[in-house]
Amino acid sequence: AQSVTQLGSHVSVSEGALVLLRCNYSSSVPPYLFWYVQYPNQGLQLLLKYTSAATLVKGINGFEAEFKKSETSFHLTKPSAHMSDAAEYFCAVIQNNAGNMLTFGGGTRLMVKP
Amino acid sequence: NAGVTQTPKFQVLKTGQSMTLQCAQDMNHNSMYWYRQDPGMGLRLIYYSASEGTTDKGEVPNGYNVSRLNKREFSLRLESAAPSQTSVYFCASSEARWNLAGELFFGEGSRLTVL
Repeated sequence: AQSVTQLGSHVSVSEGALVLLRCNYSSSVPPYLFWYVQYPNQGLQLLLKYTSAATLVKGINGFEAEFKKSETSFHLTKPSAHMSDAAEYFCAVIQNNAGNMLTFGGGTRLMVKP
Repeated sequence: NAGVTQTPKFQVLKTGQSMTLQCAQDMNHNSMYWYRQDPGMGLRLIYYSASEGTTDKGEVPNGYNVSRLNKREFSLRLESAAPSQTSVYFCASSEARWNLAGELFFGEGSRLTVL
């Protein structure tokens, strides 16, 4: 079985501050990991993905995430928050096995203060 | 290029009524999915269709039925709506099943309220 936990349903940062959104997964085999972003009244769109290549993954809009097997984590970071980053962010995991389903975390709403 | 299109965007039903959510994609993708989104619970898979002609249950299929009408279209039907089905529903598609090396493309969602 696999699952993904996002710590903190709401995160608030000031514009220009570091963004850190936490994601931990449980998986019995090496997983594929994803971060999706959902802007208000829109569907989800892929931010970045880890598929067993480099452990540090760069995505769109200056975001990146690091896969740490020892910590079973895939935290999302951005050095400097912009107002336009305000959105809900979802971590998702799938085992590299076609029989398994893509599983989403509960989501973290990022608020950016001016 | 429209991507994934869902209709309707908003719907209010009374308990016991039925309705169908429509989804169409124009990316020639093989796989399509229906998710529901509830606060604090992320997205949960209702049903999916790995390829035209096949459908499979996801995590929360009870109370729903689906039809993969053709390669482009995948509909979700609520036969007898219940207040617990109040949610935002998302249709998604991918080139291949789960598209492990790629991504899911999502529609803009359908907000359903059951009174």
